[in-house]
Amino acid sequence: DAKTTQPPSMDCAEGRAANLPCNHSTISGNEYVYWYRQIHSQGPQYIIHGLKNNETNEMASLIITEDRKSSTLILPHATLRDTAVYYCIVRVRLLSGSARQLTFGSGTQLTVLP
Amino acid sequence: GAVVSQHPSRVICKSGTSVKIECRSLDFQATTMFWYRQFPKQSLMLMATSNEGSKATYEQGVEKDKFLINHASLTLSTLTVTSAHPEDSSFYICSARVRADTEAFFGQGTRLTVV
Repeated sequence: DAKTTQPPSMDCAEGRAANLPCNHSTISGNEYVYWYRQIHSQGPQYIIHGLKNNETNEMASLIITEDRKSSTLILPHATLRDTAVYYCIVRVRLLSGSARQLTFGSGTQLTVLP
Repeated sequence: GAVVSQHPSRVICKSGTSVKIECRSLDFQATTMFWYRQFPKQSLMLMATSNEGSKATYEQGVEKDKFLINHASLTLSTLTVTSAHPEDSSFYICSARVRADTEAFFGQGTRLTVV
């Protein structure tokens, strides 16, 4: 799985958009970008994933650059409950067969400030 | 989304005793579950892959005789920390997928403290 690089920490004002960057310059054509977050003392929570098109769901938007070497997770209106470590993970999305584990990097500690 | 439940969420045990942690997939069947360990201020590290009906696959450096994994059914995997020591104190997390091509869901984690 391709390696990802994220800033160790970021702050964001409550109610503002939080933009979390991720570099994955060695990503392969069949690798997806996944985002998870981990609130303190809880298990990770799936947020969103994408291949090359921008994606949006009820939690966030994912913007992937045209060359796919980087992406940005956008929380449109951050709240205090969004304070967490956000992990960007790149991996192949298997269509069948046995499931594979996720490999977690260091992630970005997002702190939403009141 | 799918729900993965871990029990207990917190446990304190004495050195030398064993502790069992359960991981259940509540609304789906999981032939494969994963066990992670997380030390304070560190990221999740995969310990082992639990396969229903067969032996678990352990990552390098993880002692299989110390961390016993049993995946006896499609909805339950257990991790038993045997002869626990203070250095085993950590946050243990399991995860599972509905299918190989779906996102992973995680349990809420188990905080183990060995005194």
